[in-house]
Amino acid sequence: AQRVTQPEKLLSVFKGAPVELKCNYSYSGSPELFWYVQYSRQRLQLLLRHISRESIKGFTADLNKGETSFHLKKPFAQEEDSAMYYCALSGPEDSNYQLIWGAGTKLIIKP
Amino acid sequence: DAGVIQSPRHEVTEMGQEVTLRCKPISGHDYLFWYRQTMMRGLELLIYFNNNVPIDDSGMPEDRFSAKMPNASFSTLKIQPSEPRDSAVYFCASSLQGTGNEQFFGPGTRLTVL
Repeated sequence: AQRVTQPEKLLSVFKGAPVELKCNYSYSGSPELFWYVQYSRQRLQLLLRHISRESIKGFTADLNKGETSFHLKKPFAQEEDSAMYYCALSGPEDSNYQLIWGAGTKLIIKP
Repeated sequence: DAGVIQSPRHEVTEMGQEVTLRCKPISGHDYLFWYRQTMMRGLELLIYFNNNVPIDDSGMPEDRFSAKMPNASFSTLKIQPSEPRDSAVYFCASSLQGTGNEQFFGPGTRLTVL
């Protein structure tokens, strides 16, 4: 069954410390993985996707097919990174089009 | 484009009343999704449409919930009768096939059922 697991509901780190938001998935095939972010009082928006291999706002995420993981990392956390982060999975575009969502991790950056 | 538009932004109603949430997707997008977000359950997909046709409504919690998409620029999610456990933030999102499955979300409707 397709599933996305974010083991931490809440993650709290100090400003300047490294951040790693964990995401593991279960999918029989070649999935596309995403990280979405929801800042306070803002709409949910795409942060990054694995196929683009970009760094957005200092965040990176590498797809590890062996470990079926797509962890989100940032070397030095900033207060404005405080938000809700969702990991999501999608199959090929010609299949079922919906995203499978993780439960989300609330990231709090302490000053 | 103003992005996905939802109305109302906030709705407070009493148990038993009918609630209608509205969504205008991004012009040209052919997929529309309705989600519910709660602290306990996170983000749940309720139903999604492709070219105005409902594709998967398995996430709709019960018969009290219904959704329609009469045309490409408008969709509604109706709860009748509403119950306190329906209190949540309801999001609408749209996407365009062929653009890598990115979904664009509306600002959400915060529903409180007393």
